[in-house]
Amino acid sequence: QKEVEQNSGPLSVPEGAIASLNCTYSDRGSQSFFWYRQYSGKSPELIMSIYSNGDKEDGRFTAQLNKASQYVSLLIRDSQPSDSATYLCAVPPPNFGNEKLTFGTGTRLTIIP
Amino acid sequence: GAGVSQSPSNKVTEKGKDVELRCDPISGHTALYWYRQSLGQGLEFLIYFQGNSAPDKSGLPSDRFSAERTGGSVSTLTIQRTQQEDSAVYLCASSLDGGGASPDTQYFGPGTRLTVL
Repeated sequence: QKEVEQNSGPLSVPEGAIASLNCTYSDRGSQSFFWYRQYSGKSPELIMSIYSNGDKEDGRFTAQLNKASQYVSLLIRDSQPSDSATYLCAVPPPNFGNEKLTFGTGTRLTIIP
Repeated sequence: GAGVSQSPSNKVTEKGKDVELRCDPISGHTALYWYRQSLGQGLEFLIYFQGNSAPDKSGLPSDRFSAERTGGSVSTLTIQRTQQEDSAVYLCASSLDGGGASPDTQYFGPGTRLTVL
């Protein structure tokens, strides 16, 4: 089993709809979770981080974490064409002092105008 | 302020040659990471620096790969005797602390696209 798993997509969502991206992880001790957005040919940029069970909202983005199910998701409301990108789920090791990130392979999202 | 910079942006080399990739982190960031992104493999960790020390080199794929960091700033990733499977985008990231009570945001550079012919 991979340490961090994502559905590679592509995921197509109509403009204005909600895009739902999912990620599962294998290490039960993981404490922190990150969502990065990567446009084609560009480097990843952080859009959300979440550490506690439940929901965390930031503008049109909501991250959801369920540690019991080892599941983290990203919801994008009112999807825009500019949201079309690959979304990477990333998890650092549970121990402090080294924050190397283990990435999922990413979900390619396309917003259809 | 200035972000993470990397050079060169593109590098084409012949199999068997050595290459050096450079990373300039954000000023004041003590933690620096190298990752590699290739088709079908996703983004994978290579090495982590805290200051000039590299406490985690576990991601380096072979002894042909080495990296150093000097003055707590610039880092160089060296690949000796390059092979075609080394072709990938090499990304550098830096963060403020790298070991605090909660993870810091890692800021990525634009990457170096390496092509080994």
